[in-house]
Amino acid sequence: DGGITQSPKYLFRKEGQNVTLSCEQNLNHDAMYWYRQDPGQGLRLIYYSQIVNDFQKGDIAEGYSVSREKKESFPLTVTSAQKNPTAFYLCASSMEGSGRDTQYFGPGTRLTVL
Amino acid sequence: GQNIDQPTEMTATEGAIVQINCTYQTSGFNGLFWYQQHAGEAPTFLSYNVLDGLEEKGRFSSFLSRSKGYSYLLLKELQMKDSASYLCAVRPPSGGYQKVTFGTGTKLQVIP
Repeated sequence: DGGITQSPKYLFRKEGQNVTLSCEQNLNHDAMYWYRQDPGQGLRLIYYSQIVNDFQKGDIAEGYSVSREKKESFPLTVTSAQKNPTAFYLCASSMEGSGRDTQYFGPGTRLTVL
Repeated sequence: GQNIDQPTEMTATEGAIVQINCTYQTSGFNGLFWYQQHAGEAPTFLSYNVLDGLEEKGRFSSFLSRSKGYSYLLLKELQMKDSASYLCAVRPPSGGYQKVTFGTGTKLQVIP
């Protein structure tokens, strides 16, 4: 079955620690995205990648980092520099790198900072 | 830039029809998406409109008026499982990379 997987589903971290969220897709999509969702707010774009070995900052990239070494994988690291990291994180992918295609989402990771 | 407005919450009765509105003010427009998101889960794609008019897909229909900057999602024969948030999102125009902008979503509660 084709799809997008994210792990873990729930993640807890202590303040001052970096943590990496996994995102894998087997849809053969070129573009991948990371969003953050907070209560009462829309999806906010953190980073996106149109193609392997390339990625761009979104609207709220500060305190986050990504890599895109393989087409299938787009991990997100939440660093200690992120002031308010507790949120629901969603990974998505779309067929073309233009960013205008329908995006398909993974199940999400809920990160809680203790 | 892009500005998208949706009602925050709506309540409707099982078996009824509900219309969820979305208005947008954008510097460019090339289509509008609707997604459904159950609590704690990922958004799932429902529909995409690029031309004016109504697109029907089973119990769900989506309408677009580009001149008015307006869209709605129509849900018929409501079921309890339709309780979810519904997100509209605007697709940017062609040329370079511009991101899809999501609204904050409308939380629909279906009651017996």
